[in-house]
Amino acid sequence: AQSVTQLGSHVSVSEGALVLLRCNYSSSVPPYLFWYVQYPNQGLQLLLKYTTGATLVKGINGFEAEFKKSETSFHLTKPSAHMSDAAEYFCAVSPSGGYQKVTFGTGTKLQVIP
Amino acid sequence: DAGVTQSPTHLIKTRGQHVTLRCSPISGHKSVSWYQQVLGQGPQFIFQYYEKEERGRGNFPDRFSARQFPNYSSELNVNALLLGDSALYLCASSLALGQPQHFGDGTRLSIL
Repeated sequence: AQSVTQLGSHVSVSEGALVLLRCNYSSSVPPYLFWYVQYPNQGLQLLLKYTTGATLVKGINGFEAEFKKSETSFHLTKPSAHMSDAAEYFCAVSPSGGYQKVTFGTGTKLQVIP
Repeated sequence: DAGVTQSPTHLIKTRGQHVTLRCSPISGHKSVSWYQQVLGQGPQFIFQYYEKEERGRGNFPDRFSARQFPNYSSELNVNALLLGDSALYLCASSLALGQPQHFGDGTRLSIL
């Protein structure tokens, strides 16, 4: 069984401020972890993924996330928010090893204030 | 290169009807997955197909079915539609199992 919990359904930051979106996971097997972004009326775009190896993962658009096994966390950060970052962000988990039944969190809407 | 394409983009049906949603994966991708995203929630896994075989099924009733064709395109069928089936249906393709998924823009299904 696997699940993800995203803390905060809505997050507001000022333009230029740090973005921190929180995600905790539960998985009975070593997980693959993902962050996706969804703009209005669009599908999901992969920001970054953790499979194995380096625990600090860098993605597109300046985002990064750190896999912390001891804390079962995979928080998403960006040093400086841009207006174009306003969107909904989903954390997701899947079992490693090829089976790709992905479980998504409920999402966090990021608002960027000018 | 074309991304994942889904048709139609919007669809309105009434309760009790059936619906077929279509998905064309990225060229070369052999795996297709279907997700249901109810307004305000994250996507929920419905099915995964790889090389025309079902490789995973989520917790959805038997009213939901799918298939994958020899060209790797896929259809999702939903029978006896309920109001609760109103959602954005997303298709995702990947090169193979265990590879990152690429999502289409979805089909918005509204049930009246």
